Amino acid sequence: AQSVTQLGSHVSVSEGALVLLRCNYSSSVPPYLFWYVQYPNQGLQLLLKYTTGATLVKGINGFEAEFKKSETSFHLTKPSAHMSDAAEYFCAVSVGKAAGNKLTFGGGTRVLVKP
Amino acid sequence: DAGVIQSPRHEVTEMGQEVTLRCKPISGHDYLFWYRQTMMRGLELLIYFNNNVPIDDSGMPEDRFSAKMPNASFSTLKIQPSEPRDSAVYFCASSSSAGPPYNEQFFGPGTRLTVL
Repeated sequence: AQSVTQLGSHVSVSEGALVLLRCNYSSSVPPYLFWYVQYPNQGLQLLLKYTTGATLVKGINGFEAEFKKSETSFHLTKPSAHMSDAAEYFCAVSVGKAAGNKLTFGGGTRVLVKP
Repeated sequence: DAGVIQSPRHEVTEMGQEVTLRCKPISGHDYLFWYRQTMMRGLELLIYFNNNVPIDDSGMPEDRFSAKMPNASFSTLKIQPSEPRDSAVYFCASSSSAGPPYNEQFFGPGTRLTVL
């Protein structure tokens, strides 16, 4: 079975500073990896995903993530935080179509952006 | 497309009452998922359907919970009788297995349930 661990349930960054959210996964087969963002009182929105190919994935709102198989990691970064980035972020793993697109989510990391 | 539609957005009920949450997936999607989100347990998958058939309901907490998908455009999650510990935000999501971007799940806005 697959699992996802997000290090740090809360992260505080200053506006303009680097955002780094950590995600490690375990999977017995090549994974598909996702980052979702949840703004207050809203549903989850896809930020980016890794399926196959290039290991550095660019997403919306200036976010990117790098798949590192050797480290079983898929950390999310953004060079310069904006106030609008304040939200909760979820990393998720899927083992592909054979599993019926089922996602396993991490516990989430809430990001606070300080002026 | 309007995206995944859920109703109601907010529901307040009293313990013991029946609650029905509704979901309309994105047209053409063949997978539908029900999740529950709480502060204590995070985001939990309750049940999911493929082509209207329940595939995995291992996340359904107990017999008080039931879900149906009578057709490709509608699903319900029912709690009977409801209890205060069922208070949570319930999300519905859908996805398509037909070509990229397969595996991406599209989420609805959620139903915030409060059981008094």
